[in-house]
Amino acid sequence: EPEVTQTPSHQVTQMGQEVILRCVPISNHLYFYWYRQILGQKVEFLVSFYNNEISEKSEIFDDQFSVERPDGSNFTLKIRSTKLEDSAMYFCASSLPGGHYPDTQYFGPGTRLTVL
Amino acid sequence: AQSVTQLDSHVSVSEGTPVLLRCNYSSSYSPSLFWYVQHPNKGLQLLLKYTSAATLVKGINGFEAEFKKSETSFHLTKPSAHMSDAAEYFCVVSDSMDTGRRALTFGSGTRLQVQP
Repeated sequence: EPEVTQTPSHQVTQMGQEVILRCVPISNHLYFYWYRQILGQKVEFLVSFYNNEISEKSEIFDDQFSVERPDGSNFTLKIRSTKLEDSAMYFCASSLPGGHYPDTQYFGPGTRLTVL
Repeated sequence: AQSVTQLDSHVSVSEGTPVLLRCNYSSSYSPSLFWYVQHPNKGLQLLLKYTSAATLVKGINGFEAEFKKSETSFHLTKPSAHMSDAAEYFCVVSDSMDTGRRALTFGSGTRLQVQP
């Protein structure tokens, strides 16, 4: 069964550094998402991406965040200058619109980001 | 605005006994509701979803949930727990059917332990 994959599984970085989290969505999916879960808190929506542009974003997704689909398979989340409070588990998801609405979002295993 | 409350952060049952994981929601619209499960080091897997069709929804692995509008609840049940059911369970709400927004709103999760 097709899966969403994410790399790396764990990323450690110094405060102020840039990080790129990578995701490979399911191949025929058209919508891509990032969510995050700070330890002990709820999973929160960050951004959705469709047709090479952001379709929706939350208040969390400020100018330090950006997303990109650099090729036909990868979907990335970049954090320009990491802060301690960016430490969290980041989940990528993808979905295929059509059929019974709402479409199901399929999630990857997550990348644990630790900012020191 | 929409929100989800999972009433129990931890539930412990014995193998072979029923499982009940409680979820209450709040939504200004006609919500779509989901249950996702997360096993260690795995992605969030969809168990089942409610989208205004039948109020009793059957999912994978013997789980089911009943949408009760009068009680704003969407509790997850299973008649007989199996050791492999031990995981974290998330109740999720979406108002995409009315708003077109795809962002999912998660509950805080319930960790299910299954004792032998």
